[in-house]
Amino acid sequence: DAGVTQSPTHLIKTRGQQVTLRCSPKSGHDTVSWYQQALGQGPQFIFQYYEEEERQRGNFPDRFSGHQFPNYSSELNVNALLLGDSALYLCASSALGSYGYTFGSGTRLTVV
Amino acid sequence: DQQVKQNSPSLSVQEGRISILNCDYTNSMFDYFLWYKKYPAEGPTFLISISSIKDKNEDGRFTVFLNKSAKHLSLHIVPSQPGDSAVYFCAASGETSGSRLTFGEGTQLTVNP
Repeated sequence: DAGVTQSPTHLIKTRGQQVTLRCSPKSGHDTVSWYQQALGQGPQFIFQYYEEEERQRGNFPDRFSGHQFPNYSSELNVNALLLGDSALYLCASSALGSYGYTFGSGTRLTVV
Repeated sequence: DQQVKQNSPSLSVQEGRISILNCDYTNSMFDYFLWYKKYPAEGPTFLISISSIKDKNEDGRFTVFLNKSAKHLSLHIVPSQPGDSAVYFCAASGETSGSRLTFGEGTQLTVNP
C-alpha cells in the first residue's frame, strides 16, 4: 500500500517564478493538507483540502494556492516566488477530521 | 506567535538510558497532542498521541505525559536505542482549529551507543 507520494523531490527556481508541487494521498484518505517547513523550524500549516474545496487555511499570503482533484490528489502552487519561500513542503493525507496523518517525504524548494 | 514550543534544540543520551523530550504550549483550546519523529530526507512519522482527558499514554518504549495546568507535555523513551536518533516534533490541535496541527520547532535526539 503506497503512502503519500510527492513530486518532485527537489526543485530550484528563480525569484519571481511560479512553481507547482504535487501530492498523491495514501489510499483511503480523502483529505490533503500542506505544510511548509523552513530550515530549523517545525512544519507550518498552509491549507487543507477536502472534496476539492479549501477547508482551512493558515497564515500564508494569497500567492499560495492549491487544488484538489476528484481522485483526491492535490497541487500546491506558489506565485511570484521569494527567497523566503525556500523550504521543505510537506503533504499530509488523512481521513476527514482524523488526526491520523500520513506525511510524504516532501519537496525541497530552493529559490535563488 | 509560537503557540507550541520545544525549548531544547538538541538532546544527547546514552543507549539504554531514558530520553525525555519536553514541549510547552500556550493555547488553552488545544485538546489533542501528538509526537512525530523525522529522519533526514523523510516525512514526519506518527509516534504517539494523547487527548486532554488523559494525563498519560503509553505505547511500548514510548510514554507521553500531559500536565494541563502547566500546559506542558513530555515524551519519555525507555530504553533509548541508537535507531531512535532523529528530530522529534511535538504537535497540537483542537476542536476550534479543526484537525490542523501546530508544530513545535523540534528537538534533535542523538542516542550514543
